[in-house]
Amino acid sequence: DQQVKQNSPSLSVQEGRISILNCDYTNSMFDYFLWYKKYPAEGPTFLISISSIKDKNEDGRFTVFLNKSAKHLSLHIVPSQPGDSAVYFCAAETSGTYKYIFGTGTRLKVLA
Amino acid sequence: DTGVSQNPRHKITKRGQNVTFRCDPISEHNRLYWYRQTLGQGPEFLTYFQNEAQLEKSRLLSDRFSAERPKGSFSTLEIQRTEQGDSAMYLCAGNIAGGELFFGEGSRLTVL
Repeated sequence: DQQVKQNSPSLSVQEGRISILNCDYTNSMFDYFLWYKKYPAEGPTFLISISSIKDKNEDGRFTVFLNKSAKHLSLHIVPSQPGDSAVYFCAAETSGTYKYIFGTGTRLKVLA
Repeated sequence: DTGVSQNPRHKITKRGQNVTFRCDPISEHNRLYWYRQTLGQGPEFLTYFQNEAQLEKSRLLSDRFSAERPKGSFSTLEIQRTEQGDSAMYLCAGNIAGGELFFGEGSRLTVL
C-alpha cells in the first residue's frame, strides 16, 4: 500500500521557468511533510518541510504548498536552474511515530 | 555534507555471503534510521533506533537482517546469506528528536 504517491516519474522544464512537483498521500494522520532532492550516487538532501498547521512554506526559490482536504502537496521551484536537475522525493510522517514514508520520486530535468 | 558517514560505499558479494554496513551519525543524532532504496523506488523504511534502543522494524526486515546501535552512536546493518533481491542502496539517516532526516551517502550492495 503506497501511502505517499508521486504520479509523475519525470518532468522537464526550461531554465528560468517554474517547476511544479506533485505529491499525494492517503493517510489522513500524516501531519508533517518534507521534500528531498537526490543526485546520483548520493544520499537524499533535505530541501524544505511543512507542518499540517500551515498551507505554505517558502525558502528562497522553493515553496511547498499543502492542501489537506485534497491530501496533496506540491513543491514549486522558481526560477528553475540546471543544477536543480535531480530526483525529488516527498515524505510524510505522523507526529510521534518518527517513521517517515517516502514517495517513489520525480526526476526533474531543467533544460538550459 | 550532513556529517553522516556510511561504509563501505559499495559492496559486491556473492549470493549466500554475509555483509555488514556501518553508519556513523553526528553525535547529536539521538535517532538513527536505516532505509533501503531500489531502482525507481523511493527510500523504504527498514528500522530505527532511539539512542541504543531499536524501536521499530519493518516487515521488509526479514530474519536475515539485523541492525544494532550498541552505544547509541554508530550503527551496523548486517545481512546474512545474501540473495540477489537484496541488491539495493542502503541509506542511513539521523535526526534530533524529530524534524528532518539527515542522510548519509549510502552503501550500494550488489549481490551476484
